Amino acid sequence: DQQVKQNSPSLSVQEGRISILNCDYTNSMFDYFLWYKKYPAEGPTFLISISSIKDKNEDGRFTVFLNKSAKHLSLHIVPSQPGDSAVYFCAGAYNQGGKLIFGQGTELSVKP
Amino acid sequence: DTAVSQTPKYLVTQMGNDKSIKCEQNLGHDTMYWYKQDSKKFLKIMFSYNNKELIINETVPNRFSPKSPDKAHLNLHINSLELGDSAVYFCASSQDVRHEQYFGPGTRLTVT
Repeated sequence: DQQVKQNSPSLSVQEGRISILNCDYTNSMFDYFLWYKKYPAEGPTFLISISSIKDKNEDGRFTVFLNKSAKHLSLHIVPSQPGDSAVYFCAGAYNQGGKLIFGQGTELSVKP
Repeated sequence: DTAVSQTPKYLVTQMGNDKSIKCEQNLGHDTMYWYKQDSKKFLKIMFSYNNKELIINETVPNRFSPKSPDKAHLNLHINSLELGDSAVYFCASSQDVRHEQYFGPGTRLTVT
């Protein structure tokens, strides 16, 4: 049972444009969500998080939107840069020992 | 200045052997984790320790045994290695169970 899904395995965007990465979840018990970025042969790097009581959180070029009724969240990157090319993982968490449930990732390619 | 480090980075071994992966964090965090990323790229939690106490133990074979000698270290020992244990293992840490997790670079284990 996959509680967090990222249905797009890959996304290609032109430099300077907006990148939108999507994530759907089924577990209504999640009380916060996180986005991680991963380069090859490295560990995931924390990007941004959002509490389930909010619908938006912004940090520089990164904004996460949460739609609880649709059980959907998205990460917007604007403007996109070639250095943003990586695999992006969405994760849900609930207050049970810090367990993160990850989606399968979306590979973003930002072309110059 | 590495925040979360793992050794070794690569580990190639034969079926039936026993091996250990070490993890250290210098962030002063109270909680540490082990995740497994399988061939389909899913990241799944295996164990979580808070202040040296086990708080999450997912459905993991008994051949896997985590050990936390102190808050800064969480080692993973694997007995009687099997082909299916081949994966990338990530260590992570967080301030507590309610905060974002910081990941190590991963250990790629190959069982032949």
